[in-house]
This record gives sequence, C-alpha cells and structure tokens, in this order.
Amino acid sequence: GDSVTQMEGPVTLSEEAFLTINCTYTATGYPSLFWYVQYPGEGLQLLLKATKADDKGSNKGFEATYRKETTSFHLEKGSVQVSDSAVYFCALKRGNTPLVFGKGTRLSVIA
Amino acid sequence: ETGVTQSPTHLIKTRGQQVTLRCSSQSGHNTVSWYQQALGQGPQFIFQYYREEENGRGNFPPRFSGLQFPNYSSELNVNALELDDSALYLCASSLAGTSLGTEQFFGPGTRLTVL
Repeated sequence: GDSVTQMEGPVTLSEEAFLTINCTYTATGYPSLFWYVQYPGEGLQLLLKATKADDKGSNKGFEATYRKETTSFHLEKGSVQVSDSAVYFCALKRGNTPLVFGKGTRLSVIA
Repeated sequence: ETGVTQSPTHLIKTRGQQVTLRCSSQSGHNTVSWYQQALGQGPQFIFQYYREEENGRGNFPPRFSGLQFPNYSSELNVNALELDDSALYLCASSLAGTSLGTEQFFGPGTRLTVL
C-alpha cells in the first residue's frame, strides 16, 4: 500500500540556519504530495502542496519539489526562525483516498 | 468562512466507557474524515463520510463508528474504550467531486485520555 517515510527527528537548528527535512514515498499512480505543520497543542495546518511531477510548492519561505524519479518531496527553508519550531508531516493523497502521513519530524529552532 | 471546529477540546474517560467526539465541517464542505494521532506518531485514517454515508475505512475495529448529519457535521463514537485509544482525534473536511477534493482542512483536534 501507499506509504511515506520521513527523516527521524528531532532536528535542532540555530536561528537563520538552513533546513532540510527528507521525505520519500511509495504509491501507485500519481499522488498529490503535502507538507503539514503542527504547532504545540494544535491541529494540522497545510503548509504547502504539489500535485504533479516537477511542481514546486512554497509558502512562508518553505519549499518542496515533487521529484517523481526519486519519489521524494523534501522540505527546505533557507533561514529558519524560532517561530518555525513545530512538528512537520509529509503526506500523500490519491484522488478521494485518505491522506497517508509520515511519522512526523520535530523541529526545534534556538535563538 | 468558518473553519473546522471540534468539541470537546480535552476529554478523560476510563477503560470500558464510551465516548462521542463532534466535528463541524468548514462551510460548504460535504466530506468529513477522522484521524487518530497517537503520541509521537503521524495521523492514522479511521474513516470518511460523504453525504451521510461511510465511504472509506482504515484499519480500525467496529467499536469505532461515526455519523454525518445533513448539515455535514459529524460524530466519532468509540465504544469499550481501551488504554491505547488515548490519542489526539482529528477531523478534516473537504469538498469531494472537484479538484479541490484533494485538499483537506483540519480542526484543532480532541485530546482523549483513557485511564
């Protein structure tokens, strides 16, 4: 079945450091890919998405490119802030099937 | 436009009890999905309702059941609670039948603790 694998956390970075969180997926067909963010004590918020190969999703300085050849959707940000501290989830979805999530990566940014 | 809301925010139950969690969809959305997020894990799909009928279910036992109402609000019921049911329960709404159907909007969740 469909699955998502993302890098184990926690990830601790200093403010203004470069962030990469790796995500790879296994799925039949051509899924849509998502990154969700969960701040402490809150539900999930959609951060960005891409619906086809080579699409780049971007939001709030975060970017991820849908790479079909490597089945990857790595999340990047050039300069993280303390307010980016959260848990980040990579997910995929095919049509009206449910979202399939990775286990999440906790990011802590220290000033 | 009203977002997805869930109630209650927190809940404490004991083993063997029954619980009902509630969700109000985002305005105009006709599909509701429920997810269970155990501590330190990603959300796991429980089931989905479209136009008041269950149209998809994950690997959860029958004691997890649901309802969707004509106004597209929804309930998740869990009978015979077990300690492992302790989790954050997330509701997500979407609009099926359009290209926007791929995007789900999540509520803040209900934190259930089973003692």
